[in-house]
Amino acid sequence: QKEVEQNSGPLSVPEGAIASLNCTYSDRGSQSFFWYRQYSGKSPELIMSIYSNGDKEDGRFTAQLNKASQYVSLLIRDSQPSDSATYLCAVKRKRDTGNQFYFGTGTSLTVIP
Amino acid sequence: EAQVTQNPRYLITVTGKKLTVTCSQNMNHEYMSWYRQDPGLGLRQIYYSMNVEVTDKGDVPEGYKVSRKEKRNFPLILESPSPNQTSLYFCATGYSNQPQHFGDGTRLSIL
Repeated sequence: QKEVEQNSGPLSVPEGAIASLNCTYSDRGSQSFFWYRQYSGKSPELIMSIYSNGDKEDGRFTAQLNKASQYVSLLIRDSQPSDSATYLCAVKRKRDTGNQFYFGTGTSLTVIP
Repeated sequence: EAQVTQNPRYLITVTGKKLTVTCSQNMNHEYMSWYRQDPGLGLRQIYYSMNVEVTDKGDVPEGYKVSRKEKRNFPLILESPSPNQTSLYFCATGYSNQPQHFGDGTRLSIL
């Protein structure tokens, strides 16, 4: 079983719509959860982190965490063509010597003008 | 300007020839880590370091070594590269022990 699972997509939404990206994780001991955006040919960039159950909003982005269901999601409101990218979900698991990170394989999002 | 600098950006080499990919940061971050990215497998953590002289294995450490002798540098060493290490490699740094800034990546091809 993979540590982090995401639908690979592609997910297509029209400009101005809400894009919903989902992620599940296998280890209940996971503590922190992250969303990264990766444009084609570029390096990942951190867009959101969430640590406790509920919603966290940052501009057009909302991260949602449900630890009981081991589920993390990212909502992008008023989607723009510039949001077209691959979105990576990551979880942090604490170990004695530090923090190990596990990434999903990413969901490709296309926003259609 | 916050920077994570990886070198080289591209390298084609042959099996068994030792190589080092350097990573340097100017943000005074304690946490640094290395990842490889492969199609269908996503980003996988190779090694990470919480501070100088403190390193630990990630998910796929086999065939790699690292060292952290000073805070700003975290080189990735392939002592005897093999074709299955052909990949796109990223170095990342951050505070609060999490990757927040990634380098531009190093594309390695091992023939």
